[in-house]
Amino acid sequence: DTAVSQTPKYLVTQMGNDKSIKCEQNLGHDTMYWYKQDSKKFLKIMFSYNNKELIINETVPNRFSPKSPDKAHLNLHINSLELGDSAVYFCASSPPGVTDTQYFGPGTRLTVL
Amino acid sequence: GQNIDQPTEMTATEGAIVQINCTYQTSGFNGLFWYQQHAGEAPTFLSYNVLDGLEEKGRFSSFLSRSKGYSYILLKELQMKDSASYLCAVMDSNYQLIWGAGTKLIIKP
Repeated sequence: DTAVSQTPKYLVTQMGNDKSIKCEQNLGHDTMYWYKQDSKKFLKIMFSYNNKELIINETVPNRFSPKSPDKAHLNLHINSLELGDSAVYFCASSPPGVTDTQYFGPGTRLTVL
Repeated sequence: GQNIDQPTEMTATEGAIVQINCTYQTSGFNGLFWYQQHAGEAPTFLSYNVLDGLEEKGRFSSFLSRSKGYSYILLKELQMKDSASYLCAVMDSNYQLIWGAGTKLIIKP
């Protein structure tokens, strides 16, 4: 059973399009995250949600919007895609206790043409 | 600013020992994590240190010195499957994880 799952695994799209990436965790965790890993392999946090409340929002363009329909899901919507959005996007979740381990999904490789 | 430094790449021989260092400068400290990431895969948790000293877990050990802003992981009896990137991440005073760029470890037979 997959703990943290993301769909799709690969996403290729044209500039200007709007796309979504879905994330689900079946671990019963309270907090979920979205990370962007660029070509230089830096992991940068984009958002985190705790009990459906946004608690961290880094300096991410407002073209990116997280949506959490329930505690087990945190989807990422991206509007007006740009070339610089090409990266691998990881979803993660963590149990209660802020220093606990984060469990990562398999990642979504987004390529904007 | 906040900064995590790791070597970009290291090479070691199967069966040997390798130490991967990480130095950090962050606003506050709530622990240091090491993650392993194989190419094309998600990071997976290796260790967490919040107190000074060495913690051993099988073939992997992790060390922390908070006064020096320094940590390392030590991998013993290297296997080919240990070829991966090793990411150092520090949790700052806001409980936000600050990630290093990772060290790509290449294991040669």
